[in-house]
Amino acid sequence: DAGITQSPRHKVTETGTPVTLRCHQTENHRYMYWYRQDPGHGLRLIHYSYGVKDTDKGEVSDGYSVSRSKTEDFLLTLESATSSQTSVYFCAIQTEGPYGYTFGSGTRLTVV
Amino acid sequence: AQSVTQLGSHVSVSEGALVLLRCNYSSSVPPYLFWYVQYPNQGLQLLLKYTSAATLVKGINGFEAEFKKSETSFHLTKPSAHMSDAAEYFCAVSGLTGANSKLTFGKGITLSVRP
Repeated sequence: DAGITQSPRHKVTETGTPVTLRCHQTENHRYMYWYRQDPGHGLRLIHYSYGVKDTDKGEVSDGYSVSRSKTEDFLLTLESATSSQTSVYFCAIQTEGPYGYTFGSGTRLTVV
Repeated sequence: AQSVTQLGSHVSVSEGALVLLRCNYSSSVPPYLFWYVQYPNQGLQLLLKYTSAATLVKGINGFEAEFKKSETSFHLTKPSAHMSDAAEYFCAVSGLTGANSKLTFGKGITLSVRP
């Protein structure tokens, strides 16, 4: 299985502070994704990347930015955290073309 | 553009009863379809996927799903529910290339199993 690690696993932060979540893969898969999961909404795509320095917005990108300076790392930044960004964040990589995805274990973020 | 509709947010069945979780999709390109399961406080686990081979797909834990293009559906079934099937289930769709090459999820269905 492709190795994918998210860090931190849990974080509590204050409103207005910047927060960066990290997704790290041990292989060289091109496509990486950030989702947020909220009750009643399923998983919604925030941003995705199709290569180093190549990123695009998903359906809920407002308030988030991403960076991918090397293949193995995809960073998600909340520029100024708000309570509405309290959520569980999942990273995913595309491992078998458009029909194989591997998910990280998730980061539970609480903004107080 | 692609989307998934999962009707209802909660399904309750008795142990041993048929499980039927509905999923309808919309896609401008031939779709790849997935069912994931999430147990409480855990990550996502792939149950099964349709990748344009057989229309009836068998997955883990006795689940299966049938792709019906005419109905744009990919419903998940299991003949006999077990208590351990209680979880949240997500249907998802992806397309072949470019902007379609990402997973779009439905809102999820919570399955409860009564003794």
